[in-house]
Amino acid sequence: DVKVTQSSRYLVKRTGEKVFLECVQDMDHENMFWYRQDPGLGLRLIYFSYDVKMKEKGDIPEGYSVSREKKERFSLILESASTNQTSMYLCASSFSVTGSGTEAFFGQGTRLTVV
Amino acid sequence: TQLLEQSPQFLSIQEGENLTVYCNSSSVFSSLQWYRQEPGEGPVLLVTVVTGGEVKKLKRLTFQFGDARKDSSLHITAAQPGDTGLYLCAGAENNDMRFGAGTRLTVKP
Repeated sequence: DVKVTQSSRYLVKRTGEKVFLECVQDMDHENMFWYRQDPGLGLRLIYFSYDVKMKEKGDIPEGYSVSREKKERFSLILESASTNQTSMYLCASSFSVTGSGTEAFFGQGTRLTVV
Repeated sequence: TQLLEQSPQFLSIQEGENLTVYCNSSSVFSSLQWYRQEPGEGPVLLVTVVTGGEVKKLKRLTFQFGDARKDSSLHITAAQPGDTGLYLCAGAENNDMRFGAGTRLTVKP
């Protein structure tokens, strides 16, 4: 079974702190994604990566950066946390983004609260 | 604006009823997935549809991909309380994957 593991289930940080959210997958997937999920807005794509050291902006990249130094690990960084970044953050991976193999496998999510 | 529009946003029904939820877009997707998410967990894949007009069945769930590969529907027969959850559709294209806002289904015993 594919396993996507996020480093924390719950996190509370202060405004202005630098925050790191880590995600690791164990199925050698090429693609990895970071989403945030807010009520009524669904999952919004922050960044994705289709290869090591490659990254692409999603719909809402402002205030975030990412790092993919190894294939299995994709990190989301909040440079200076703000209260409007309080959300559920979901990491996902997939083998492909076209045709078969596009299924995304998700981690359990990190509920981040910025106070 | 959501790339994928899901309707209805909320649905509350009695056990044993049938229901259909929809996922619509103006974009063409190479594939479309349906996921179910329970509170406090990440979404879990239910099905992937790839071919226009394709119909897939998963027990009491029937999924259909539109002929033009822009829309999809999920039909549940004889809904059960265990079907309660957030149903999300997602479209894959151009190296990324976009999700709809979801339909929150509640099935009352």
